Amino acid sequence: NAGVMQNPRHLVRRRGQEARLRCSPMKGHSHVYWYRQLPEEGLKFMVYLQKENIIDESGMPKERFSAEFPKEGPSILRIQQVVRGDSAAYFCASFLRTGGGLAKNIQYFGAGTRLSVL
Amino acid sequence: DQQVKQNSPSLSVQEGRISILNCDYTNSMFDYFLWYKKYPAEGPTFLISISSIKDKNEDGRFTVFLNKSAKHLSLHIVPSQPGDSAVYFCAASDSGAGSYQLTFGKGTKLSVIP
Repeated sequence: NAGVMQNPRHLVRRRGQEARLRCSPMKGHSHVYWYRQLPEEGLKFMVYLQKENIIDESGMPKERFSAEFPKEGPSILRIQQVVRGDSAAYFCASFLRTGGGLAKNIQYFGAGTRLSVL
Repeated sequence: DQQVKQNSPSLSVQEGRISILNCDYTNSMFDYFLWYKKYPAEGPTFLISISSIKDKNEDGRFTVFLNKSAKHLSLHIVPSQPGDSAVYFCAASDSGAGSYQLTFGKGTKLSVIP
């Protein structure tokens, strides 16, 4: 947990504003996932990124949500024109892909960003 | 369509006794399973995992059992300690899908009573 850094921890936005959530993976990890957790629910996959590439965005809402993981700097999850339904905890996980077998394919999570939309 | 189900929202166990948390899945393509522990206002912490080629994996007080034919797995904690009180999430992935995304259950809140 301690190795994946997310900020801010808490973010308050008014409806219609933009939210930017940042995630720095563990040292040596070049793969990042974003998950969303609504109250009383499990975490739901949103997007999977490698440096400079979106690998799988099948869990992302079609509109207003985007993600990037540039060559330098953290991964960013961006939500435009936020609505009350976007209020949730957003977790980032990093992953060291070992390229074969399943033994080490474990995702390590950050502490999350709690987004509140007023 | 919930592919990973944790049917018990909560569980209370006496300190020193065994805690058994259960998880069922419906997707037969899942081949890797993980348990995470989560405290309030923190991120999930990895506990233990098991691949579909095994039926048991043990790490200290934690043991995970996998019954592929029943599509069922369970996490045993023995002996249970008050510090184990948290929400436990079962997660599964399909390595053939390429992205290794995790599908989570809704969690079971474990309370260990001193």
